Amino acid sequence: GAGVSQSPSNKVTEKGKDVELRCDPISGHTALYWYRQSLGQGLEFLIYFQGNSAPDKSGLPSDRFSAERTGGSVSTLTIQRTQQEDSAVYLCASSPTRTGARETQYFGPGTRLLVL
Amino acid sequence: SQQGEEDPQALSIQEGENATMNCSYKTSINNLQWYRQNSGRGLVHLILIRSNEREKHSGRLRVTLDTSKKSSSLLITASRAADTASYFCATDARSGGGADGLTFGKGTHLIIQP
Repeated sequence: GAGVSQSPSNKVTEKGKDVELRCDPISGHTALYWYRQSLGQGLEFLIYFQGNSAPDKSGLPSDRFSAERTGGSVSTLTIQRTQQEDSAVYLCASSPTRTGARETQYFGPGTRLLVL
Repeated sequence: SQQGEEDPQALSIQEGENATMNCSYKTSINNLQWYRQNSGRGLVHLILIRSNEREKHSGRLRVTLDTSKKSSSLLITASRAADTASYFCATDARSGGGADGLTFGKGTHLIIQP
């Protein structure tokens, strides 16, 4: 398991349904980040975890979005009552230490979400 | 406001030529990074330049940073077809109290014509 993995790779859902996206960071990386990339847009930072805690949730687009991380490893991003504007590629990244934003972030392949 | 704006938005050159992309940002930074993205999927880190550095090289890549102008450039020399991708700059803002994620621009889409 050399890199960050994400599942599923692709997810098609109907408007109003809940979805759960999973991220497996690189083993030993304490910082974990979620980003969203909409069509033709840059990456939008959503939330980061240091260990299991997320000190700042203000980047989440709405209260339909939530994220958790357990055991300092796997993280899940949950979107409730999905809307069509939630369609995007959701990218997860990890970095070794607390000062992750000052270091290289290692990205997973992303989950492409399509809300019909 | 958008931190990290790449210029141009799209660039098409012949294989073997050099490609130059620029990035401007608005706030003070700790470092600036360049990433590559193929086919809208995961990003690959290319190079990181710290705020006290002015130039950095890695293989065919050369990055410059001018903190007085709040700008950076990425030069890819002797381009190859495999360099076709989107390139993003990302900044780590120095100001505290905000989110700790990187702030990305919208990217430059580079096409290398064989």
